[in-house]
Amino acid sequence: QSALTQPPSASGSPGQSVTISCTGTSSDVGAYNYVSWYQQHPGKAPKVIIYEVTKRPSGVPDRFSGSKSGNTASLTVSGLQAEDEADYYCTSFGATNVFGTGTKLTVL
Amino acid sequence: EVQLVESGGGLVQPGGSLRLSCVASGFTFSTSWMTWVRQAPGKGLEWVANIKEDGSAKYYVESVKGRFTISRDNAKKSVFLQMSSLRAEDTALYYCARDAGWFHYDYWGQGTLVTVSS
Repeated sequence: QSALTQPPSASGSPGQSVTISCTGTSSDVGAYNYVSWYQQHPGKAPKVIIYEVTKRPSGVPDRFSGSKSGNTASLTVSGLQAEDEADYYCTSFGATNVFGTGTKLTVL
Repeated sequence: EVQLVESGGGLVQPGGSLRLSCVASGFTFSTSWMTWVRQAPGKGLEWVANIKEDGSAKYYVESVKGRFTISRDNAKKSVFLQMSSLRAEDTALYYCARDAGWFHYDYWGQGTLVTVSS
């Protein structure tokens, strides 16, 4: 079974950019352009911020962007703001465990 | 306005059963795959089960196969999770979510808490 691996933590100062990776395999991330990213604040339900690798739902700031290279997808948060501090999870079609391991983003 | 409202959680003893419900509004439920996702305290998200629009296909994470059953009632715009032989490791906040396609979960409920403890 394939699992999507994310770094446990990431951090940056306000205004900086941070990139979070999501590493899968040639059977999931590498095979499909169906990677989604979810933001979860403490005590709240997850919220989709990126889908189909690069698309942003209505209302999501353009500071959030997604990309993919080979078996690794990435979420970049530009111009970090305090409210971006949250947990972030990726998903990819084809990944048996569906959700990535999660990354806690800290805004210093 | 889209809403997913879960209910049915609570405290149950190991080996016991519980039935979770999720009522949807604000989108076309009958043409949507629906999913249950859980989150143990302090842990990450775990996909649990999903069900096709007409209920003809259902999938489960390995750890709940044979113990959990997902079902739906399109007339009542509801999806259910029947949980039996519950274990301590099933303790979690259970969310229902709509799958807009390809594991893109665009709508989520606020969750219902299941605690398995003696």
